[in-house]
Amino acid sequence: AQRVTQPEKLLSVFKGAPVELKCNYSYSGSPELFWYVQYSRQRLQLLLRHISRESIKGFTADLNKGETSFHLKKPFAQEEDSAMYYCALSGTSGTYKYIFGTGTRLKVLA
Amino acid sequence: EPEVTQTPSHQVTQMGQEVILRCVPISNHLYFYWYRQILGQKVEFLVSFYNNEISEKSEIFDDQFSVERPDGSNFTLKIRSTKLEDSAMYFCATSQVGNTIYFGEGSWLTVV
Repeated sequence: AQRVTQPEKLLSVFKGAPVELKCNYSYSGSPELFWYVQYSRQRLQLLLRHISRESIKGFTADLNKGETSFHLKKPFAQEEDSAMYYCALSGTSGTYKYIFGTGTRLKVLA
Repeated sequence: EPEVTQTPSHQVTQMGQEVILRCVPISNHLYFYWYRQILGQKVEFLVSFYNNEISEKSEIFDDQFSVERPDGSNFTLKIRSTKLEDSAMYFCATSQVGNTIYFGEGSWLTVV
């Protein structure tokens, strides 16, 4: 079954602390993995895709095929990072539909 | 930077009424999608559309739903007879080729 699991509904950290948002997936094949961010009342915005291997706003994510994980990390959280974060996967052919996790709300406390 | 735009941003409708949600894709994009997000729940795939036809749809996308691209620009989602459980945020998304998709700001539908 194709599935994305984000085990934490809410993650609260203090400003300056490291952040790790967990994402595990189940997919028969080689999916592409993404992180999307949704700030309050705004659209879903692409944060990262695993194939580009870039760092956006200090966030990184490494695809671990052995553990089927794609955890999102940032060494020092900032208050403006507070948002909803969604992990998603897509196939590499066909309709490219996304399967989303349930999301993790990140709250960065001052 | 080009964006996907959606109208209306918010619509309140009575149960049983028809609703049309509109989306203007990014101009050179070829793949179009509708997703929905019921309040407090995850984003769910509804339908994908390519080359003027549905390429895939989910179980949610039953006979009450339809999509079309009538004028080559707008991409619409129609709900024929709305139910209370259709209340959700509906996101349009588009992609060029390949699988990075860009989302609109969403249309919040409230069925009363």
